[in-house]
Amino acid sequence: SQKIEQNSEALNIQEGKTATLTCNYTNYSPAYLQWYRQDPGRGPVFLLLIRENEKEKRKERLKVTFDTTLKQSLFHITASQPADSATYLCALDGPTGNQFYFGTGTSLTVIP
Amino acid sequence: DAGITQSPRHKVTETGTPVTLRCHQTENHRYMYWYRQDPGHGLRLIHYSYGVKDTDKGEVSDGYSVSRSKTEDFLLTLESATSSQTSVYFCAISESRLAGPNTGELFFGEGSRLTVL
Repeated sequence: SQKIEQNSEALNIQEGKTATLTCNYTNYSPAYLQWYRQDPGRGPVFLLLIRENEKEKRKERLKVTFDTTLKQSLFHITASQPADSATYLCALDGPTGNQFYFGTGTSLTVIP
Repeated sequence: DAGITQSPRHKVTETGTPVTLRCHQTENHRYMYWYRQDPGHGLRLIHYSYGVKDTDKGEVSDGYSVSRSKTEDFLLTLESATSSQTSVYFCAISESRLAGPNTGELFFGEGSRLTVL
C-alpha cells in the first residue's frame, strides 16, 4: 500500500513569510496529487490538483510542485496570513484511480 | 457548499452494539466515500462506491460494511462496535474520476463523531 508522509511537526511562521509543506510518498507513483485544507471541526476542502506530467501548479498565493523522481510534492503559501492557519493534507490517487489516500496532514500556524 | 449531510453528527454507544452512519447528497455525484480520521493516522479510506450497489473496500474496511441503494445515500454500518472504532467519520463525494480536465475533487461532509464506550 502507499505510504504518505507529511511534516510531522507543526509549522509556525511569521505573517508575510512563505510557508512550505512537504508530502513524500513511497511505492507506486500516483498519476495525480491533491492538496486540501482542513479547519478544526470541519471536513477538508480541496485546494489544488497537480498531475504527474506537471512540474508546478499555481493558484493565487498557492504553488504546488510535483517531483516524481524524488517522490515528493511541495506546497507553498506565499505572503502568508493568519487566516491561512489550518491543517493541510495531501492526497494521492490509488492504483485503480477510484480511491484517494491521504497523508496525516501538517498543522500550520501563521503568527501575526 | 456541496450538498452533503451526515447523520448523526455525534453518537455515543456501547461496545457490541450496531451503529449506522448515513451520508446523504443532493449533488447527484457518482462516487461516494467513507473515511475515518484519527490523530496520527490522518484520513483513512474505509469503503467507497462508484455507483448504486457498486462498492469496494478501502484500506481499513475490517469491521465495517456499506450499502448504496440510491444515488443519494451511502450508509456505513458497524455491525458490532468496538472501542477501536471510536473516531471521526467523514463522508465525501466526487463527480467524476480523475481524467482529462477533471480534478476528481472530493467534497466532504462535516463529519460524524462516534464514541464507543
